[in-house]
Amino acid sequence: QVQLQESGPGLVKSSETLSLTCTVSGASISSYYWNWIRQPPGKGLEWIGYIHFSGSTNYNPSLKSRVTLSIDTSKNQFSLKLSSVTAADTAVYYCSRGGSWSSQLNWFDPWGQGTLVTVSS
Amino acid sequence: EIVLTQSPGTLSLSPGERATLSCRASQSVSSSYLAWYQQKPGQAPRLLIYDASSRATGIPDRFSGSGSGTDFTLTISRLEPEDFAVYYCQQYGSSPQTFGQGTKLEIK
Repeated sequence: QVQLQESGPGLVKSSETLSLTCTVSGASISSYYWNWIRQPPGKGLEWIGYIHFSGSTNYNPSLKSRVTLSIDTSKNQFSLKLSSVTAADTAVYYCSRGGSWSSQLNWFDPWGQGTLVTVSS
Repeated sequence: EIVLTQSPGTLSLSPGERATLSCRASQSVSSSYLAWYQQKPGQAPRLLIYDASSRATGIPDRFSGSGSGTDFTLTISRLEPEDFAVYYCQQYGSSPQTFGQGTKLEIK
């Protein structure tokens, strides 16, 4: 059974960089596409981007200038960096696997439990 | 970017009733690449339906999806107490992948 677990600081100062890691267990990260999705408190879901073990990435244009995804196959982890954060970046951040190993654009399954990141001034 | 509009915003029904949730896209969704998720408070979304009508593993058959082009529907045939939650649709036919704003299914 594939499981994902997000980790990282729960509080980030405004203008700094948010950094999160997703650890995958029960499956190799060397296949499929791996995604980050976020959800501001009380609001809907926003796809941030995906990374493939080959290193290829695709980002949401709304965040592209501030997002960097990376992957570490030796640790079965992938990571998110979001720079120049503001209060609008306060959200629960989820990592998830793309549903189809062969397709870049996917449904998302499974999901990590999510981690709340609050941006403080 | 494809905008997904879900309706109604809130649906009030009783256990045993039938629920019909709508998701309308601002342009045609390629190959019916549309998914539905259920989210309960404090939990991550759970995949219910993918490719518009395929049930995910372990999902009860009271959940069904239909539609194509710009109009999609999630139907719950007989509501169980555990079905009351927020439901999201998501399209993955074009980048960026986008979600609807959600429909809250509440107990009447």
